[in-house]
Amino acid sequence: AQSVTQLDSQVPVFEEAPVELRCNYSSSVSVYLFWYVQYPNQGLQLLLKYLSGSTLVKGINGFEAEFNKSQTSFHLRKPSVHISDTAEYFCAVSEAETSGSRLTFGEGTQLTVNP
Amino acid sequence: KAGVTQTPRYLIKTRGQQVTLSCSPISGHRSVSWYQQTPGQGLQFLFEYFSETQRNKGNFPGRFSGRQFSNSRSEMNVSTLELGDSALYLCASSPRTGGKQYFGPGTRLTVT
Repeated sequence: AQSVTQLDSQVPVFEEAPVELRCNYSSSVSVYLFWYVQYPNQGLQLLLKYLSGSTLVKGINGFEAEFNKSQTSFHLRKPSVHISDTAEYFCAVSEAETSGSRLTFGEGTQLTVNP
Repeated sequence: KAGVTQTPRYLIKTRGQQVTLSCSPISGHRSVSWYQQTPGQGLQFLFEYFSETQRNKGNFPGRFSGRQFSNSRSEMNVSTLELGDSALYLCASSPRTGGKQYFGPGTRLTVT
């Protein structure tokens, strides 16, 4: 079974500052990794995903993430945030070969961008 | 293409009742997954249906069940509702099992 730990439940940051949201995972098999964003009263939107290949993944809205297999991490970064990035962010994993569409989520990180 | 739609968006039920939630996937998508989101437990996988067959199931009691129709629309049913079933129920569709998932806006269920 796999598990996901998001190391920060809340991250406050000022507009135009860089941000990093941290995610560690645990699994005994190969995994796919995802970051989702959830705005208030909405569903989840996929920001980016790592399936294989290059460990640096670029996503929508200027976000990127780096897969580090040795540290079992998949941290999300953005060099300059906007007020509109305020939302909850979820890291998720699925087993590469066997779990189908089943995603295991972290507990979420609330990103608040202040003016 | 229209996105994933879920009905109803909001629902209030009394403890002991049962409830049925509906999910219409994106046209052409054959996989539908359901998740429960609560403040205490976070996002948890309920089950996945693909081509009318349950492909995967999470760790929920038998009161939680689902099905998928030939047009890929899916329903989930919760019987004998408990206060702890109050949650946002999210549905996600995908062209195939294991593919990129598109989430609907969710159904917020409140059990009183």
